[in-house]
Amino acid sequence: EIVLTQSPGTLPLSPGERATLSCRASQSVASRYLAWYQQKPGQAPRLLIYGTSTRATGIPDRFSGSGSGTDFTLTISRLEPEDFAVYYCHQYGYTPRTFGQGTKLEIK
Amino acid sequence: QITLKESGPTLVKPTQTLTLTCTFSGFSLTTNGVGVGWIRQPPGKALQWLALIFWNGNNYYSPSLKTRLTITKDTSKNQVVLTMTNMDPVDTATYYCALTYYYDTSGPFDPWGQGILVTVSS
Repeated sequence: EIVLTQSPGTLPLSPGERATLSCRASQSVASRYLAWYQQKPGQAPRLLIYGTSTRATGIPDRFSGSGSGTDFTLTISRLEPEDFAVYYCHQYGYTPRTFGQGTKLEIK
Repeated sequence: QITLKESGPTLVKPTQTLTLTCTFSGFSLTTNGVGVGWIRQPPGKALQWLALIFWNGNNYYSPSLKTRLTITKDTSKNQVVLTMTNMDPVDTATYYCALTYYYDTSGPFDPWGQGILVTVSS
């Protein structure tokens, strides 16, 4: 099973700042199999990025993904108030599919 | 427009069997490559993938829960059913179903249903 470890657990930032979220895999993940989700309280996760760097439909270009092998990053270039949420990375190329434990982006 | 919605009991007793139904629209589970998965999330905790079924009937389970899970599909009703036996309070969670695919490569879960909170308590 591929374990995904996200860091930091909590990231306090202010609107307008840049956010960098990390996801490290216990073994190599092909780039086409790494996704990021955003989840707000009481809501289902929303797909932001798939294939490491492809934005899902309707996702603003302030969200970008990068990485390869075992290290992946989600970057939010300039935080908007609606971006404060929990973010999960997910690998979907290997069974069992696995998720990271999440990074909570909170207002500083 | 693709939608999925989970239904089932919101309260079950320990040792009981949970049966959840995912009713979907906007796609067909007879279409080559299409799959539906189940994912759960205990309150305040992370997402955990449970099971997956594809258009051709191939199914996959979380190794840690494999002995307790069964996933089936009813293409005539556009439904996927998940059963989980021997429920325990630690199984209290919001259960989601979501669309995925496998064409020449796997696809992520998108979109998701709204989720159903299932509480296990006597």
